Amino acid sequence: NAGVTQTPKFQVLKTGQSMTLQCAQDMNHEYMSWYRQDPGMGLRLIHYSVGAGITDQGEVPNGYNVSRSTTEDFPLRLLSAAPSQTSVYFCASQALILDTQYFGPGTRLTVL
Amino acid sequence: AQSVTQLDSQVPVFEEAPVELRCNYSSSVSVYLFWYVQYPNQGLQLLLKYLSGSTLVKGINGFEAEFNKSQTSFHLRKPSVHISDTAEYFCAVAGGTSYGKLTFGQGTILTVHP
Repeated sequence: NAGVTQTPKFQVLKTGQSMTLQCAQDMNHEYMSWYRQDPGMGLRLIHYSVGAGITDQGEVPNGYNVSRSTTEDFPLRLLSAAPSQTSVYFCASQALILDTQYFGPGTRLTVL
Repeated sequence: AQSVTQLDSQVPVFEEAPVELRCNYSSSVSVYLFWYVQYPNQGLQLLLKYLSGSTLVKGINGFEAEFNKSQTSFHLRKPSVHISDTAEYFCAVAGGTSYGKLTFGQGTILTVHP
């Protein structure tokens, strides 16, 4: 059981480039989330999914897209990277509403 | 809307001393409260949660927290800390209408000195 996996671990982009952060879980969890972590600001929810085909915006969705075609995968797309998107990104999954969230190891993204 | 305020950004303590990390929340509906811990260069893991029932919640690694509705607080305590407790701690709230989406506080860095 690998839990929640994220790739890549580190990424450097130039302003305007696009990329996809990958997230996968093998626990058959319905709920999945993407957060960004910035110093002194805690974790802020970007996008959220309650099941395959269903996504919702979180607190800071601008500049990011998501889709959920399978239960296992929840990729996060940066459409046109900006320096303000330099952050550490965490994916999380949970089995039920209000259940424990299981976090991946994170992706550290730098946008130059 | 819901929000969380962690009152201390950094808490230094000596090993074997007690510690309290403070968390206040606001929500217009019933709340569900969580404490997560993040060790350096890792993701977060759940310490404990309050959903209903007893207001004193016990978690892993000897931590406990008390839900106080009148003070809108959910402070985290440990009677005797270890060096290995050095980490960042996050309080989080999920409100009744948020469908389980968590709002996190800013984090408190606990540093345990020998």
